[in-house]
Amino acid sequence: SQELEQSPQSLIVQEGKNLTINCTSSKTLYGLYWYKQKYGEGLIFLMMLQKGGEEKSHEKITAKLDEKKQQSSLHITASQPSHAGIYLCGAEGGATNKLIFGTGTLLAVQP
Amino acid sequence: GAGVSQSPRYKVAKRGQDVALRCDPISGHVSLFWYQQALGQGPEFLTYFQNEAQLDKSGLPSDRFFAERPEGSVSTLKIQRTQQEDSAVYLCASSLLRVRAKDQPQHFGDGTRLSIL
Repeated sequence: SQELEQSPQSLIVQEGKNLTINCTSSKTLYGLYWYKQKYGEGLIFLMMLQKGGEEKSHEKITAKLDEKKQQSSLHITASQPSHAGIYLCGAEGGATNKLIFGTGTLLAVQP
Repeated sequence: GAGVSQSPRYKVAKRGQDVALRCDPISGHVSLFWYQQALGQGPEFLTYFQNEAQLDKSGLPSDRFFAERPEGSVSTLKIQRTQQEDSAVYLCASSLLRVRAKDQPQHFGDGTRLSIL
């Protein structure tokens, strides 16, 4: 079965600094989703990547899917306290498009 | 409403009791998913509905877990004879039926936090 490993598990950065979160899959990725979760809340959809080499940006967040489609990265530029939370990558698994998630990366941004 | 709505937000039950968790998907969303999220972990798939049909229940951990979506909109996840290991956040997500080459992300509710004493 497919497994997703995220690194780092947790991250503390100073406000204004850039950071990168990685998601590595044990199998080829056919659809990779990035979500953000705040404690006690649901998942907020950030971006979806499908094609090898694809890159998408939204505000200060950029996500990439590598050419071999087994790794994705999420990059935040000039981090702000509002970026704090848990970032989860999810991959499509099976015909029903159910998502298989990584264990998440906890991000704290110090003012 | 505009988003996926789940109720109750919090549920405390004694071991052995039955519980029912409700999910109101986004209007018009054909696909509905249930996930279980343990503390410090990513969500794990439980079951999937396309309209009223339960097409995948491979993630349900035991026969104590039962889900239904009788009219193709609201869904209920029922857990019978609850045990302490059932304590988790139960998340519901809905999406439009995936169309080739179009983004059809799953939209999640805030979840129900279930605690079994």
